[in-house]
Amino acid sequence: ELKVEQNPLFLSMQEGKNYTIYCNYSTTSDRLYWYRQDPGKSLESLFVLLSNGAVKQEGRLMASLDTKARLSTLHITAAVHDLSATYFCAGDNDYKLSFGAGTTVTVRA
Amino acid sequence: NAGVTQTPKFRILKIGQSMTLQCTQDMNHNYMYWYRQDPGMGLKLIYYSVGAGITDKGEVPNGYNVSRSTTEDFPLRLELAAPSQTSVYFCASSYDPVGIIGSNQPQHFGDGTRLSIL
Repeated sequence: ELKVEQNPLFLSMQEGKNYTIYCNYSTTSDRLYWYRQDPGKSLESLFVLLSNGAVKQEGRLMASLDTKARLSTLHITAAVHDLSATYFCAGDNDYKLSFGAGTTVTVRA
Repeated sequence: NAGVTQTPKFRILKIGQSMTLQCTQDMNHNYMYWYRQDPGMGLKLIYYSVGAGITDKGEVPNGYNVSRSTTEDFPLRLELAAPSQTSVYFCASSYDPVGIIGSNQPQHFGDGTRLSIL
């Protein structure tokens, strides 16, 4: 069974600084997903990572995948208030997703 | 496109009552899923379907049933509601291009149904 662990679970960010969220998974995963969820809202897809060494960037967010270490990271550059949300990573076994517990990010001035 | 539509958005049930959560998608996706999200937790897969007429259990299927008679619709049935089923339920869909290795399509989620059982 695919297990996914995220850390940290809570992250207080200062505006303008850089931070990283880590996602470890227990067994082979076909894909690695990152989602964002605002309070009381649905999940918004950020990235889908397929292969070892994959790196994707969108604005201040960059995700990478190391399949050998079974590790994905979500890097936030120069945090801004709009990035406050909960971020989930999920591994994939034949399109069945296993989610981490989420990282709740709060960006303060 | 409306994407993934879930109804109702909110519902309160009494213990032992039954209800069906509706989910429909207009993206012609072959895969559909039901998840539940408990407070402060990630999502757990209840049931999924790879196409019309085909369904299978996920991680937490007990107390639920599903059917998939059309590509568009994937209703979730609670037969005898219990307090442990109080949760937010999300339906999702995705497209798996059969025969193509390495699809990078994400799952698209509905807005959720907030269900309380008292």
